Amino acid sequence: KAGVTQTPRYLIKTRGQQVTLSCSPISGHRSVSWYQQTPGQGLQFLFEYFSETQRNKGNFPGRFSGRQFSNSRSEMNVSTLELGDSALYLCASSLGTGVGHEQFFGPGTRLTVL
Amino acid sequence: AQSVTQLDSHVSVSEGTPVLLRCNYSSSYSPSLFWYVQHPNKGLQLLLKYTSAATLVKGINGFEAEFKKSETSFHLTKPSAHMSDAAEYFCVVGGPLYTGGFKTIFGAGTRLFVKA
Repeated sequence: KAGVTQTPRYLIKTRGQQVTLSCSPISGHRSVSWYQQTPGQGLQFLFEYFSETQRNKGNFPGRFSGRQFSNSRSEMNVSTLELGDSALYLCASSLGTGVGHEQFFGPGTRLTVL
Repeated sequence: AQSVTQLDSHVSVSEGTPVLLRCNYSSSYSPSLFWYVQHPNKGLQLLLKYTSAATLVKGINGFEAEFKKSETSFHLTKPSAHMSDAAEYFCVVGGPLYTGGFKTIFGAGTRLFVKA
């Protein structure tokens, strides 16, 4: 069974631009979560989607948004990029939402903002 | 409210010696607790999870953790370190939300070094 895939793996943007990252969950998984990982702030939760509905949102500004499609694939968008948005963005999928469901992580998208 | 604290940012052990990575948590209700490992340039992998069943949880690669409610701890241990264990380890606390979602909070991470 294929794992979680994220595209692109690496991305370089400049301040003010916007970016869209994509995540394809494991087949059959309906929950997708997004995390931001930086050396200073560690791993921080962005949002979780289940069956195309946002179930949970972390403490990030409105420039960060996401969506989930009917095939469970998810995208996250960051508008008006800032230097501080440089990070590894991780996507995780699980069969469902809740304590019994293990999250499987993708390799991440490394975003660099210049 | 929930929080998680990993007490050591770096731990260094010799190959073949025991590993202890410490984690304390805070939760206003019965938490779910996890340990994840992240190898360089790779995604996170679940080592083990506690979800209110047995307090001693066995995971992959010989790791185990014990849930101690009285101490609010969930320390990760392994009897004998291997070079391949060198990685960053994250303790995670999670719990359900009224929205039906599930909230997870990651600790700051502990980087494990294994010396030959």
